[in-house]
Amino acid sequence: QVQLVQSGAEVKKPGASVKVSCKASGYTFTSYYIHWVRQAPGQGLEWMGIINPSGGSTSYAQTFQGRVTMTGDTSTSTVYMELSSLRSEDTAVYYCAREGPMSAPLGYWGQGTLVTVSS
Amino acid sequence: DIQMTQSPSSLSASVGDRVTITCRASQSISGYLNWYQQKPGKAPKLLIYAASSLQSGVPSRFSGSGSGTDFTLTISSLQSEDFATYYCQQSYNTPRTFGQGTKVEIK
Repeated sequence: QVQLVQSGAEVKKPGASVKVSCKASGYTFTSYYIHWVRQAPGQGLEWMGIINPSGGSTSYAQTFQGRVTMTGDTSTSTVYMELSSLRSEDTAVYYCAREGPMSAPLGYWGQGTLVTVSS
Repeated sequence: DIQMTQSPSSLSASVGDRVTITCRASQSISGYLNWYQQKPGKAPKLLIYAASSLQSGVPSRFSGSGSGTDFTLTISSLQSEDFATYYCQQSYNTPRTFGQGTKVEIK
């Protein structure tokens, strides 16, 4: 069965970087795009970007341009999301999600990774 | 960027009620509209894709309709497990924007 398993919670200081991993299993890793979505406490869902694990092409939301980097490792079926220059407003749960066919819905989600930014 | 606007932001309903949530896109997105359900502390769950297609395993009381700019999610008979927050998302282009969410609460 399709699974996306994310790395554990992180606590970072303002100005630091965080790298969250998302390990995929149960399907051909290179066949489906992976998205990253975040959710600040008590807030809605915010789309961050997308990576094509086959070739590594990416597209990022303007909000995160210059601060986010998404990469993939086909040898371990893992995608990574690195966010730099962290500030308190980046405190959120970060999700990876796999895109599906037809209208490209996000049919499979990781369990989420809480990133807390605090001095 | 395409803006997605949901209404209402919240609603109170009773078990058995028919519930309708609307989502409006700032420009035409054809049928590239998906609906998700999220419960506290959990990842979102896909309910409806391509505006009206029911995701496998999702109860048939959930349905979606619309095209272009106006879309609707309907729960025909609200069950206790349906109390949650619902989000629409456009997948017409990037950034893949979400609506702000609709919280369905118990009356």
